[in-house]
Amino acid sequence: DAKTTQPNSMESNEEEPVHLPCNHSTISGTDYIHWYRQLPSQGPEYVIHGLTSNVNNRMASLAIAEDRKSSTLILHRATLRDAAVYYCILNGQNFVFGPGTRLSVLP
Amino acid sequence: DTEVTQTPKHLVMGMTNKKSLKCEQHMGHRAMYWYKQKAKKPPELMFVYSYEKLSINESVPSRFSPECPNSSLLNLHLHALQPEDSALYLCASSQPIEGWNTEAFFGQGTRLTVV
Repeated sequence: DAKTTQPNSMESNEEEPVHLPCNHSTISGTDYIHWYRQLPSQGPEYVIHGLTSNVNNRMASLAIAEDRKSSTLILHRATLRDAAVYYCILNGQNFVFGPGTRLSVLP
Repeated sequence: DTEVTQTPKHLVMGMTNKKSLKCEQHMGHRAMYWYKQKAKKPPELMFVYSYEKLSINESVPSRFSPECPNSSLLNLHLHALQPEDSALYLCASSQPIEGWNTEAFFGQGTRLTVV
């Protein structure tokens, strides 16, 4: 599976936008970019995924670079409930997690 | 129903015990997964079942034995575990769609303690 790199941790203020980056320079043409998050004491939950075009859903937006070597998960207005570990995953064959980014949201 | 249900939520077992973890989904998903997660670490893939057949075993020790008796159910049989096997065990399911244009649904996990 292609590898992803993410910052270990990020901090945001409540009600401000958050941009979570992910680098995946070895991505293959058929790999989908998935984002999951894991809230404390819970299983991971799906956030969003895309292939080439930017994607929006009720939780977040996914901005994919034109060369697909990086992507950014955008939370438009962070809330305290968004404090979690966010994982960027490339899907070649299965859902393999990298270390993720721990997001803290300050009131 | 978009839930993956794992039972039990908590399990304490001795090193000589045999126990099983259960995972159930009724979303019609034909791919099911077991993960192990230690504290402050990402989930680590253990096994993947596709259409009820074991497709991936990530070099997991034989004291962990998976079973997929039908398309809705996934078990993980545990025998002669070690204290270092204490962890959160997560189950997930998805559609095994070509190209992976699909999302995975995760259960809340079974917190296992080996004493």
